Amino acid sequence: GENVEQHPSTLSVQEGDSAVIKCTYSDSASNYFPWYKQELGKGPQLIIDIRSNVGEKKDQRIAVTLNKTAKHFSLHITETQPEDSAVYFCAASLTSYGKLTFGQGTILTVHP
Amino acid sequence: EPEVTQTPSHQVTQMGQEVILRCVPISNHLYFYWYRQILGQKVEFLVSFYNNEISEKSEIFDDQFSVERPDGSNFTLKIRSTKLEDSAMYFCASSGLAGVGELFFGEGSRLTVL
Repeated sequence: GENVEQHPSTLSVQEGDSAVIKCTYSDSASNYFPWYKQELGKGPQLIIDIRSNVGEKKDQRIAVTLNKTAKHFSLHITETQPEDSAVYFCAASLTSYGKLTFGQGTILTVHP
Repeated sequence: EPEVTQTPSHQVTQMGQEVILRCVPISNHLYFYWYRQILGQKVEFLVSFYNNEISEKSEIFDDQFSVERPDGSNFTLKIRSTKLEDSAMYFCASSGLAGVGELFFGEGSRLTVL
């Protein structure tokens, strides 16, 4: 089955810096790659997603890139703010409504 | 904004007891899911449910687990005889029309098995 690896496990940045989180996946048939943000005591919340027919997608300060050949995708957060501090999960799926396989999560801390 | 709601937020039970976790998915959604997260580990898929039947399940979802949509609004996960290793946060999620994509997660039910 699919396996998703995520790095780093923790990331500490200063406010205003950029943060990059990387994931690799194993199943070349996967074609949907969402990123979730989980705040303390809450469920994961989708922040951005990308499908395999797209190489890059941007939404304000957040962008995701996908390299299908290398089977990796990355989350980029620019101009980080303290409220960006949370656990971020990448995931992969064969369909956009099917089973998601999650990465291990990255604890992002943005210091004011 | 519509949301997925889960009850209870925390349940403590004795090993061997039955537990039912409840979820109210977003009202016009068609796909329903349970995931779990053992402390410090990945979020893991348990089961997906569509058109009143299980569409996919993981190897974790053995005969001790069952799901039901008893009344068109609730979606439940039952664990018949809990084990210590069932202690985890259980997340319900729902999704709309096929191809739309986003899974909406509830805030989770923390299950502690003693």
